[in-house]
Amino acid sequence: QVQLVQSGAEVKKPGASVKVSCKASGYTFTNYDINWVRQATGQGLEWMGWMNPNSGDTGYAQKFQGRVTITRNTSITMAYMELSSLRSEDTAVYYCARVVRWALASTDYYYLDVWGKGTTVTVSS
Amino acid sequence: EIVLTQSPGTLSLSPGERATLSCRASQSVSSSYLVWYQQKPGQAPRFLIYGASRRAIGIPDRFSGSGSGTDFTLTISRLEPEDFAVYYCQQYGSSLLTFGGGTKVEIK
Repeated sequence: QVQLVQSGAEVKKPGASVKVSCKASGYTFTNYDINWVRQATGQGLEWMGWMNPNSGDTGYAQKFQGRVTITRNTSITMAYMELSSLRSEDTAVYYCARVVRWALASTDYYYLDVWGKGTTVTVSS
Repeated sequence: EIVLTQSPGTLSLSPGERATLSCRASQSVSSSYLVWYQQKPGQAPRFLIYGASRRAIGIPDRFSGSGSGTDFTLTISRLEPEDFAVYYCQQYGSSLLTFGGGTKVEIK
């Protein structure tokens, strides 16, 4: 079945970087974009960016421009999200999610159909 | 950037009651790019509705979505115990995604 398995929890100091991985299985990795979304405790969902695993093209939310980098290794069907210059406000659960995009009768649809279980990143001195 | 505002913030209802959740966009959104998710504590979001009104595979027909332009609605016709959760709307446009702030449906 389609699965996204994320790496384990991380504890980082302010100013450090964190790299979270997302292992895809059960489908052709290069056929579906991957998005990253985070959620601080008790808060809503916050979109960070996307990546096309086939081309390596990426796009980032303006809030994270310059601090976030999404990459992939197609040979091992892995996606990565690296966030730098960490601060306490970056403490959150980070999710990867698969994008489904398809068209029916000239109407395009776009949604995140499968999510990883999340990786908790704690930033604390 | 399109801002999605969900209301109410919390909905207190009893099992068997009807839930109506609103998602309002700061500017017009393509209906085909309006999505709803459900999230329970400690879990990842679960994909419910896409294209504003099309149920994902395996989603019960008590869940329905409607709307267009700037106003969208998720309706749960008769709440089951497993439906008490937080619901988020999301839109996609110009290679950007935004989520609403969520509506918590709690047991009254």
